[in-house]
Amino acid sequence: DVKVTQSSRYLVKRTGEKVFLECVQDMDHENMFWYRQDPGLGLRLIYFSYDVKMKEKGDIPEGYSVSREKKERFSLILESASTNQTSMYLCASSSHGPQNTGELFFGEGSRLTVL
Amino acid sequence: AQRVTQPEKLLSVFKGAPVELKCNYSYSGSPELFWYVQYSRQRLQLLLRHISRESIKGFTADLNKGETSFHLKKPFAQEEDSAMYYCALRGTGFQKLVFGTGTRLLVSP
Repeated sequence: DVKVTQSSRYLVKRTGEKVFLECVQDMDHENMFWYRQDPGLGLRLIYFSYDVKMKEKGDIPEGYSVSREKKERFSLILESASTNQTSMYLCASSSHGPQNTGELFFGEGSRLTVL
Repeated sequence: AQRVTQPEKLLSVFKGAPVELKCNYSYSGSPELFWYVQYSRQRLQLLLRHISRESIKGFTADLNKGETSFHLKKPFAQEEDSAMYYCALRGTGFQKLVFGTGTRLLVSP
């Protein structure tokens, strides 16, 4: 059973704080993604990674950075949290190459509130 | 550019009524289209993809390249179909998916 685990389900932070969102997958997937989910805006891609230490910007990377030091772990970092980053953050993973059917496996989400 | 449009934010129907969730896309190449679903308090998951041409939980979706659409249909809605539905597109050679804004389906008894 594919499992993508986001360690923090709910976080409340203050403006200006540094925030780490962690994601771990146990399926040996090469691809990992961070999306944010907002009502009326759907899912928007922040960053993604095809391999360890590799990262690419998505559609809304401003204010975020990522880290992928190990294949199973993909971290999203908010260097200085702002109120407009209050959102639900979804991590996902998928396989690469011929096994890639296009299916993303999602975590349960991390709901971040920035005060 | 890759774009997915879901024009309806909310679709409300009665149990047993037909359902059609609209999805239109913009992409110059040959896309792969998907429908994802998120039930209350559950994680987002794949419902179906156009390549498989399968029916899942009574839902079907046909890719219409002429109209650049991938509408999701079910002849008789059930209360358990109430959920958030997202249409998604993957371009040729890409690994990432582009999602639409989502449609909330509410099936009333």
